[in-house]
This record gives sequence, structure tokens and C-alpha cells, in this order.
Amino acid sequence: AQTVTQSQPEMSVQEAETVTLSCTYDTSESDYYLFWYKQPPSRQMILVIRQEAYKQQNATENRFSVNFQKAAKSFSLKISDSQLGDAAMYFCAYRSMGGGADGLTFGKGTHLIIQP
Amino acid sequence: DADVTQTPRNRITKTGKRIMLECSQTKGHDRMYWYRQDPGLGLRLIYYSFDVKDINKGEISDGYSVSRQAQAKFSLSLESAIPNQTALYFCATREQGFTGELFFGEGSRLTVL
Repeated sequence: AQTVTQSQPEMSVQEAETVTLSCTYDTSESDYYLFWYKQPPSRQMILVIRQEAYKQQNATENRFSVNFQKAAKSFSLKISDSQLGDAAMYFCAYRSMGGGADGLTFGKGTHLIIQP
Repeated sequence: DADVTQTPRNRITKTGKRIMLECSQTKGHDRMYWYRQDPGLGLRLIYYSFDVKDINKGEISDGYSVSRQAQAKFSLSLESAIPNQTALYFCATREQGFTGELFFGEGSRLTVL
């Protein structure tokens, strides 16, 4: 079974600064998807960014970008120009494209604090 | 209105009571999921369904059952609730054959006393 590890339970960053959230995963598959979800205090789960494993180019969405290192099984999220509204729990998730259980496998999350 | 709607949003119940959490979606997706979120543990998959006749256990199905009443409706039941089932429960949907993104409901917070 795949596992997703987020080694930083909590991170803090000054407003307007850049922060990187770490995620590693364990898999024997070559094709899969990776995601970052944001959960603000409203508790809604919001997709931030997705990456297809077959794509070498790192995904970007405005101030959010990833550093996808397939060989190292690493998928970090960089948030540039941090804003107060970025304060939330961030979850890294993996989806297999092979057989087995469907759905996403999530990490335990990183709580991001934005200091004004 | 939300594409994925969960009811109730919050519920407090007592040990031994039967509880049903309901989920309905207007996205037209065939796949539906129930997840449980606990602090420090992330989200864990309880059950998932590919269609009305195809229901599968996830990582932590013990103590739970589900019913897929229609393509748009997927309910989660706790036949006899216990305190360690206190958690935030999410319903999610996915469209077959696409990138695998899940669309989540707003969550149902359940407290078992």
C-alpha cells in the first residue's frame, strides 16, 4: 500500500514571504497523481494543485508551485508571497492509477500559520 | 448550492445510538467516497462506491456501513456509535477516467458522548 508522509506538523511564515511544505510518498508504481489540498478553518477541502507523474514539468497555479522529484518520491509545495488567507491545514495526497483500492491516500497534514 | 451536500453538518449523539450521515451530489459523478478525519491523522478512507451495485471497503470500514441509494446519494451509517467514532466525516465524489481529483462536501462533525 502507498503511504504519504508530511514531516512538518506545523510551519510558520511571515506574510509576503515564501514557504515550502514537504511531502514524500512510497510507491512501486510508475503512473500516479499527486495533489495538495488546503483546509481552512471553514473545514472545506479545496484542491490547490495537482501533478501527473508522467509529466516532468512542475505544476504551477498562481502563487502555488510544486517541486516534483519522481526518483526521490518527493512532492513539495511552495507558496510565494504568503497571504493571511493561506493560513490552513495542507494535505498532500496520492492516487494510484493501477489496481487496488480507489480514492486518495492522504498525509497527516501540515498546519500553516501566517504571521502578519 | 454546493455540488456535494452533507447532512447533518454537526451532530452530538450518545454511545449506542444509530447514526446516519447523508451525502448527495449534483455533479453527475459515478464514484463516491466516505472519509474520516481525525486530528494528526489526516483523512482515511472508510468506504467507496463505483456505482449503485458496487461498494467497497476502505482502510477503516469496521463499525461502519454504507448504502448507495442512487447515483447521486451515498449514506454512511454507524449502527451503534462509540466515542472513538467522534470525528469529522467527509463525503467526496470523482468522475471516472479523469485526473482523479476528489470533490468534497463540507463535512459532518460527529461527537459521540
